[in-house]
Order: sequence, then C-alpha cells, then structure tokens
Amino acid sequence: DTAVSQTPKYLVTQMGNDKSIKCEQNLGHDTMYWYKQDSKKFLKIMFSYNNKELIINETVPNRFSPKSPDKAHLNLHINSLELGDSAVYFCASSRGRENQPQHFGDGTRLSIL
Amino acid sequence: AQSVSQHNHHVILSEAASLELGCNYSYGGTVNLFWYVQYPGQHLQLLLKYFSGDPLVKGIKGFEAEFIKSKFSFNLRKPSVQWSDTAEYFCAVKGGGGADGLTFGKGTHLIIQP
Repeated sequence: DTAVSQTPKYLVTQMGNDKSIKCEQNLGHDTMYWYKQDSKKFLKIMFSYNNKELIINETVPNRFSPKSPDKAHLNLHINSLELGDSAVYFCASSRGRENQPQHFGDGTRLSIL
Repeated sequence: AQSVSQHNHHVILSEAASLELGCNYSYGGTVNLFWYVQYPGQHLQLLLKYFSGDPLVKGIKGFEAEFIKSKFSFNLRKPSVQWSDTAEYFCAVKGGGGADGLTFGKGTHLIIQP
C-alpha cells in the first residue's frame, strides 16, 4: 500500500491554465506538506497543514492554494500557470509537527509549455 | 531563519570506497536533523534522523551520521559504498518548537562507479 500518493504523476499543460494536484496519505498523520523541487534539485517548502489549518505559508505566489478536505488529503491548486512553475512537486506527511520524520510521495512532474 | 549547507554538489567514488558527505546548518535552537536519499526518478526516502541522545545515529543501508553541536554539523558516512548508492542525498533541518517544514540543503549528487 502506498503511504503517500500523489496524482497525477506527470502533468503537461499550457501557460495560463489552472490545474490541481491531489495528495492522499493513509498513515494517519495529521500534518501534511507541499514542497517544490526545481530543475537544480533544490527542495523548498511551500505549505504545511496541521489539523486542517494552514500553519505556514512560504513566499509563494497566491496563484498557489492548498486545500484540505480532511486530514488525509492536501490538494494543491494552481491558477494561471507560468513557465516558472515547471518543477516536481512533492507532497509529504508526518505525525505531528515535532520530532517526527516526513514521508514523501512520488512527486508530480509539472511541465508548462 | 535556518539554513543548510552541503559542501559537495557532485561526488564520484569507486565501489568499496568510503563516503563522507558534509552538512552544516545554522539554527540557534533545538534542531531535528535528517538525511534523505532520492534515487533516480523516485521520491525522497529517509536514511536517518537525529532528534536527541546519542550523537552518532545509524540509518538504513549501512549509513550513519554524527551530530557535532559545536560545529553545527551532521555529516553522513558509509564505510564502503555500492553502485546502488548512486543517488541524490539531501540534508535537512527542522527547528524545534516551530511550525516550519523541513529546510533542505541543495543536495549532493553521488555517483558510484563499478
């Protein structure tokens, strides 16, 4: 069973479109995260959610919005996609915010044409 | 703000060689430290973690890391590498008591030559 699953695995779309990436975890964790990995493999935290509340919001454009219908899901919505949004997006989860490792999904490779 | 510095961006070793990847962090408080590995085309997997206690931590696949508080370092080691260790290695830090996600270093691309 996949612990943290993301869909789709690949997403190719045009500039200006709106797209969503879904993430689900079956580990019973209460904190979920979104990371962006750029072309140089640099990983940066974008959002984290704890008990359905946004607890951090790094300096990402407001075109990106996380939505969590329940604590097992944290979806990422992106409006008006731009070329610079091309990256691999990783979802992760952890049990609580302290002293717990994060478990990562397989990533979604987003390519903007 | 916390930051993580990995000194070697690319490392090439032969099989059976010993490995040490450097990691330094800057954070004034209690930290949780991690090493993650990313095999080609795959997600990040946890190699090992340090929260407290024995500063020498052992992880999966024969890896270990030593937390040296005075040097703000958490170097990753393996006595004898294998071809299958070819991957990207990331050091990460999470500040204690805060709401932040992980802060990652820029990664070290390790290539093991048969």
